[in-house]
Amino acid sequence: GAGVSQSPSNKVTEKGKDVELRCDPISGHTALYWYRQSLGQGLEFLIYFQGNSAPDKSGLPSDRFSAERTGGSVSTLTIQRTQQEDSAVYLCASSLARWDTEAFFGQGTRLTVV
Amino acid sequence: AQRVTQPEKLLSVFKGAPVELKCNYSYSGSPELFWYVQYSRQRLQLLLRHISRESIKGFTADLNKGETSFHLKKPFAQEEDSAMYYCALSKAAGNKLTFGGGTRVLVKP
Repeated sequence: GAGVSQSPSNKVTEKGKDVELRCDPISGHTALYWYRQSLGQGLEFLIYFQGNSAPDKSGLPSDRFSAERTGGSVSTLTIQRTQQEDSAVYLCASSLARWDTEAFFGQGTRLTVV
Repeated sequence: AQRVTQPEKLLSVFKGAPVELKCNYSYSGSPELFWYVQYSRQRLQLLLRHISRESIKGFTADLNKGETSFHLKKPFAQEEDSAMYYCALSKAAGNKLTFGGGTRVLVKP
């Protein structure tokens, strides 16, 4: 595709349910990021994948959060037993494997836990 | 570990006035610095990067290694500059982007 694609665009879920958020990065981009953007807050780093290296999971807020990247392409962020404080916009970004290059962002998934 | 600080959460200026968004970083090496912008209902996107030494939409940013700052400036703000601005840092090894907390700019007519 032309850009980073995230699905769904919006997700409303009941507290306690599990959710999966999907990210399709730009083809050829080996670096993939997940961030969280809460209302009125900045970008909170969640997890970073770079090629075949072990992912940097240092930003995951709890063990209810996990992410995987299959075949070096599509990534799924899973939140188990969702809580109301998980409500936020989840952003995915991808970039080439160079430190000086631009990261391209998806449109985000707005998650609402009720 | 690297850290990016944007001390102002909100900047409100009048159209035609200068605007400066502050960004300070902490990293012992030689990082690459970026400014990203998010306009209303649009994706977060790159505004400019230090390595390109470019001016985009009238904005410039100068890297001051002595003060570890990368402030974003525009001499004459326009209403269309109203947006959320994020400063970001990437280190050479691993290239993970670290973002500041963001500054919301409101340009009043």
